[in-house]
Amino acid sequence: NAGVMQNPRHLVRRRGQEARLRCSPMKGHSHVYWYRQLPEEGLKFMVYLQKENIIDESGMPKERFSAEFPKEGPSILRIQQVVRGDSAAYFCASSESSGEEQFFGPGTRLTVL
Amino acid sequence: GENVEQHPSTLSVQEGDSAVIKCTYSDSASNYFPWYKQELGKRPQLIIDIRSNVGEKKDQRIAVTLNKTAKHFSLHITETQPEDSAVYFCAARAQAGTALIFGKGTTLSVSS
Repeated sequence: NAGVMQNPRHLVRRRGQEARLRCSPMKGHSHVYWYRQLPEEGLKFMVYLQKENIIDESGMPKERFSAEFPKEGPSILRIQQVVRGDSAAYFCASSESSGEEQFFGPGTRLTVL
Repeated sequence: GENVEQHPSTLSVQEGDSAVIKCTYSDSASNYFPWYKQELGKRPQLIIDIRSNVGEKKDQRIAVTLNKTAKHFSLHITETQPEDSAVYFCAARAQAGTALIFGKGTTLSVSS
């Protein structure tokens, strides 16, 4: 059973470009969570999704950021018009149900030049 | 909303000593408290968790205690080894279906 997969592992973008981060949850998991980790800081919750639904997006910046988890395929975190302050590690986690343990992916390290 | 404070931010111990990391939370409705270990450049991995109906849980050299009245929980690592060196994060969750709120992490260094 493969763990949570994220790609790409490293992503470099210039200011103003778009960044697309993908997360494939563990097999059998239908709950996905996205977190952002700034250097030497903790994990900050961004958004919680179930298949085709956004359950909680209270941690998402109001502009430029969006997330989806379609019926087929991975969950995608999309950042439009990236700025230097978006540089961070973005982790997704998945769980089998809402009350169960969250398993983390290896993260995508986004660098904005 | 929930707020989690974690102390200390850094902790250095000698191999074989014990290490204790403490967290406090603000939302009395929180009922799930996991601890994650993150090695440099790697993903966070769950090492132990505790639910609010339990006061203490132990797994080999690792234990977690929970005091719901005081709203704090602690991680205890005994007989520390160099491979325990990592960043440790505590987290709290108010109810199923809500997000984990993390502390800022403790960098543990175990020297031999």
